[in-house]
Amino acid sequence: GAGVSQSPRYKVAKRGQDVALRCDPISGHVSLFWYQQALGQGPEFLTYFQNEAQLDKSGLPSDRFFAERPEGSVSTLKIQRTQQEDSAVYLCASSPGRRSNSPLHFGNGTRLTVT
Amino acid sequence: AQSVTQLDSQVPVFEEAPVELRCNYSSSVSVYLFWYVQYPNQGLQLLLKYLSGSTLVESINGFEAEFNKSQTSFHLRKPSVHISDTAEYFCAVTPLTGTASKLTFGTGTRLQVTL
Repeated sequence: GAGVSQSPRYKVAKRGQDVALRCDPISGHVSLFWYQQALGQGPEFLTYFQNEAQLDKSGLPSDRFFAERPEGSVSTLKIQRTQQEDSAVYLCASSPGRRSNSPLHFGNGTRLTVT
Repeated sequence: AQSVTQLDSQVPVFEEAPVELRCNYSSSVSVYLFWYVQYPNQGLQLLLKYLSGSTLVESINGFEAEFNKSQTSFHLRKPSVHISDTAEYFCAVTPLTGTASKLTFGTGTRLQVTL
């Protein structure tokens, strides 16, 4: 079946530009996560949605980062006024359940390069 | 808060040789433990997990990991590796009592298998 789909696959932005990254989770998955993976590092948690509710945004690095999931399915991660330190792979993951042992399914990520 | 340490950033090994990828964690609460694998230009895939029960867990492609609570470790092993096992391997934990799989990852170990 279809997995988690992320677009675009690659994004190059000039410093100061706004970007929007899209995530299509597996149909019916309640939970959706965004992670940031810098070069040579493990993924780091950014934010979590349960359906349309953003229950945890403790990992967002600054107020330039904003995420939404208005209808409880597709999610968008927006970064305003991009900086070079925002360059990373942004991973989206979805899960069918709400509990911590519910398996995560990851997309292939969006590689953002800020020049 | 949790933290995960993967001491080896790279592990070179010959095909058909055994391998061990080390993972240690720190947490003030009980956790679930996971190993994820990331092939080049792909997203993370769950390799195996420890939720409860037997401390030795196995994957379908011959990997195994043993949860050692006293040493706070969850090392990954395979008795005979294949070229196709070349990838980045991430250890991760999440609290048992969390409402969703908010994972804390290690920095990863790159397994390079050569002939």
